[in-house]
Amino acid sequence: GAGVSQSPSNKVTEKGKDVELRCDPISGHTALYWYRQRLGQGLEFLIYFQGNSAPDKSGLPSDRFSAERTGESVSTLTIQRTQQEDSAVYLCASSIAWQETQYFGPGTRLLVL
Amino acid sequence: EDKVVQSPLSLVVHEGDTVTLNCSYEVTNFRSLLWYKQEKKAPTFLFMLTSSGIEKKSGRLSSILDKKELFSILNITATQTGDSAIYLCAVVNRGGSQGNLIFGKGTKLSVKP
Repeated sequence: GAGVSQSPSNKVTEKGKDVELRCDPISGHTALYWYRQRLGQGLEFLIYFQGNSAPDKSGLPSDRFSAERTGESVSTLTIQRTQQEDSAVYLCASSIAWQETQYFGPGTRLLVL
Repeated sequence: EDKVVQSPLSLVVHEGDTVTLNCSYEVTNFRSLLWYKQEKKAPTFLFMLTSSGIEKKSGRLSSILDKKELFSILNITATQTGDSAIYLCAVVNRGGSQGNLIFGKGTKLSVKP
């Protein structure tokens, strides 16, 4: 595709429910990254995938957060038992390889009521 | 600890003004510095800088890197209301974790008509 795509663009959920966010990277990009941006704050790294290597999960804030990626394609970020503090924009980015320029998707705005 | 510091945090100017945004960094293994423009949700890529003293230019935007003094500036001349956005600086950390991209908190630019 032309760029990174994410779905849904907006998600409203109730506290305690699970949510799943999807990211389709640019075709051919081996590296994929997830970030979180709370209102008025900077980008917070969550997790990244590089090819078939084990993902770097060092940014995940709690064990309620997990992510998967199938090969070098789609990734899903799952948040279990959502809390109000999880409300944020979740951004996905991909790059052609590790340490190359990252290109961002449009983001998913998550609101936990 | 690796860090990227942007200044000012916010800036209000009038159309036609010239602005300079600053980014300083302390990174263990510097590879490159990236500038992004963030409107609404997703950051869009502006420049990647790897060498000192070489200006990158795109229309009214330009940027330069000083690897000795560990900073970069982003200049916008003849500003327009469409330049209103958050400008993010990020440094690629060679071999680091955290997805290798360390973001500053951004400079919020508001251009008044």
